[in-house]
Amino acid sequence: SAVISQKPSRDICQRGTSLTIQCQVDSQVTMMFWYRQQPGQSLTLIATANQGSEATYESGFVIDKFPISRPNLTFSTLTVSNMSPEDSSIYLCSVEGSGDETQYFGPGTRLLVL
Amino acid sequence: GIQVEQSPPDLILQEGANSTLRCNFSDSVNNLQWFHQNPWGQLINLFYIPSGTKQNGRLSATTVATERYSLLYISSSQTTDSGVYFCAVERDNYQLIWGAGTKLIIKP
Repeated sequence: SAVISQKPSRDICQRGTSLTIQCQVDSQVTMMFWYRQQPGQSLTLIATANQGSEATYESGFVIDKFPISRPNLTFSTLTVSNMSPEDSSIYLCSVEGSGDETQYFGPGTRLLVL
Repeated sequence: GIQVEQSPPDLILQEGANSTLRCNFSDSVNNLQWFHQNPWGQLINLFYIPSGTKQNGRLSATTVATERYSLLYISSSQTTDSGVYFCAVERDNYQLIWGAGTKLIIKP
């Protein structure tokens, strides 16, 4: 299993600003995943973050808008840049558990952009 | 790409009732997982079930990989079962493809 924490848990931001979300895992993991969940919708994968290499972004997501850092095997950050109201979502990080092939999720960051 | 369809989209039940949620997927997958998202947004993995049947308390799941579907059974529903149930299938590199979810409301 894995225990994941995220900061902040929620935030209200003005359009045009940027917010950095932190994700901390209680064990070393190879891959970390960042998801977006828009209101009332399912989850959409933004990118996969591996330690020591650049993140791999899914179609429709670009590094300039969602830069990701992965400085070590227990930590990652996602920045939502130049925010607009359309970025209002829950942002979740997840990891694959070591040895049990399930994915574990952080509590999410609820972002509202005004 | 792989399509994942869940049914029903919404379900309202009285406490104590049983329910069956379905997940269909369009192609062979490496594995399938069921998640529960509670009303506060926390996602909890319920089952990792690429095939066969598993049970955990009042919940059980069955995946028939050859027919490309999975079922989640909830027996004797409680109000704490309310939330959204997601099915997600895994393609390469541990990336999950998600269904749209089933929103379950259990009334006291």
